[in-house]
Amino acid sequence: GAVVSQHPSRVICKSGTSVKIECRSLDFQATTMFWYRQFPKQSLMLMATSNEGSKATYEQGVEKDKFLINHASLTLSTLTVTSAHPEDSSFYICSALKLTVYGYTFGSGTRLTVV
Amino acid sequence: AQTVTQSQPEMSVQEAETVTLSCTYDTSESDYYLFWYKQPPSRQMILVIRQEAYKQQNATENRFSVNFQKAAKSFSLKISDSQLGDAAMYFCAYRSVDQAGTALIFGKGTTLSVSS
Repeated sequence: GAVVSQHPSRVICKSGTSVKIECRSLDFQATTMFWYRQFPKQSLMLMATSNEGSKATYEQGVEKDKFLINHASLTLSTLTVTSAHPEDSSFYICSALKLTVYGYTFGSGTRLTVV
Repeated sequence: AQTVTQSQPEMSVQEAETVTLSCTYDTSESDYYLFWYKQPPSRQMILVIRQEAYKQQNATENRFSVNFQKAAKSFSLKISDSQLGDAAMYFCAYRSVDQAGTALIFGKGTTLSVSS
């Protein structure tokens, strides 16, 4: 199979602090990972595409200095929300691409609450 | 650019009945993949079914089947013998073949409720 582990599942942080979310492909190498943001009852909004060993490509309107993405290995990508504010509160989902099959595997998501 | 449209924000069905969720898409590409994903209250994205555009035969997975109309750019999902566990948000998604490393393009989703 193709399993993606995302941690933490829930996190509460104080305004102004940073929080890191990890996304790991457990049984395959993911050259490409995607980060999404999802508001309640809405669709997934692509934030950025990360490729192992290179800089992430951010979608228009996403602040790359606020949402730092690192994809240092073929099995790990991290999203760091820097200087978090209440408006950053959301559900964040990662997805890893396994090119040997055409499906995408999703992590279980992280609910971020900034207080 | 490709777009995916789900025109039904909400749908409801009774247990054991059949329901069809609509999806249309726009693309200039001739080869691509289409997917239906389910997102239950746990919010875990689960692949329901996928279809390769070059295949004329409609994909089926147990109680789930699609009606793929390439010329009309339509990709509807039929759920037969609906169960309470089918209640979820369903997303239609598109993926380019030529741009293999690109993200899925999602529709806005349809929330399906199932009543007993």
